[in-house]
Amino acid sequence: SAVISQKPSRDICQRGTSLTIQCQVDSQVTMMFWYRQQPGQSLTLIATANQGSEATYESGFVIDKFPISRPNLTFSTLTVSNMSPEDSSIYLCSVDAPGLAGAYEQYFGPGTRLTVT
Amino acid sequence: EDKVVQSPLSLVVHEGDTVTLNCSYEVTNFRSLLWYKQEKKAPTFLFMLTSSGIEKKSGRLSSILDKKELFSILNITATQTGDSAIYLCAVGSGGSNYKLTFGKGTLLTVNP
Repeated sequence: SAVISQKPSRDICQRGTSLTIQCQVDSQVTMMFWYRQQPGQSLTLIATANQGSEATYESGFVIDKFPISRPNLTFSTLTVSNMSPEDSSIYLCSVDAPGLAGAYEQYFGPGTRLTVT
Repeated sequence: EDKVVQSPLSLVVHEGDTVTLNCSYEVTNFRSLLWYKQEKKAPTFLFMLTSSGIEKKSGRLSSILDKKELFSILNITATQTGDSAIYLCAVGSGGSNYKLTFGKGTLLTVNP
């Protein structure tokens, strides 16, 4: 498995500002994922971040709004830029890591609860 | 577009009941189906299924996948109030562009 930490755990921000969320993993992983969970909704993949290459964004998400860094195999950041109230969500970092049986499984960090006023 | 549909969307039972949660999917290049339990923020991993007909079991929880009919079920026997949570089904698909597509989840409430 993998132990994932995220900072901050929560924040309240004003519209028009930006917030950078950090994700740290206790082991080296190739693929890291960023998800968004809006109130009452399921998880939606924002982008996949592989070390040494540009992040791959899903339909509806763009790099200017959600720039991602992946400087090494244990760390990534997601920035939510020029925020509006519609960006109020839980943002979750996730990684693929070997499970108990050896197969790769996907684990989630504790999430960052963002409220934009 | 990949699609994952869970049913029911919500369920209220009494302690000791057995529940079955359903997940059907339509994806391109299926690789795996995963079940998660979400209580507060982060989903916690329950099972990953890749082969049809092989039941995975962990305590009172079990799950099975039918790749021909494109669905999975999650069973919880002798439910307890601590089982109250949202149960999420996700399907992993793709090759080098592997990703998970999540269903909307089933909200399970277990009353004492």
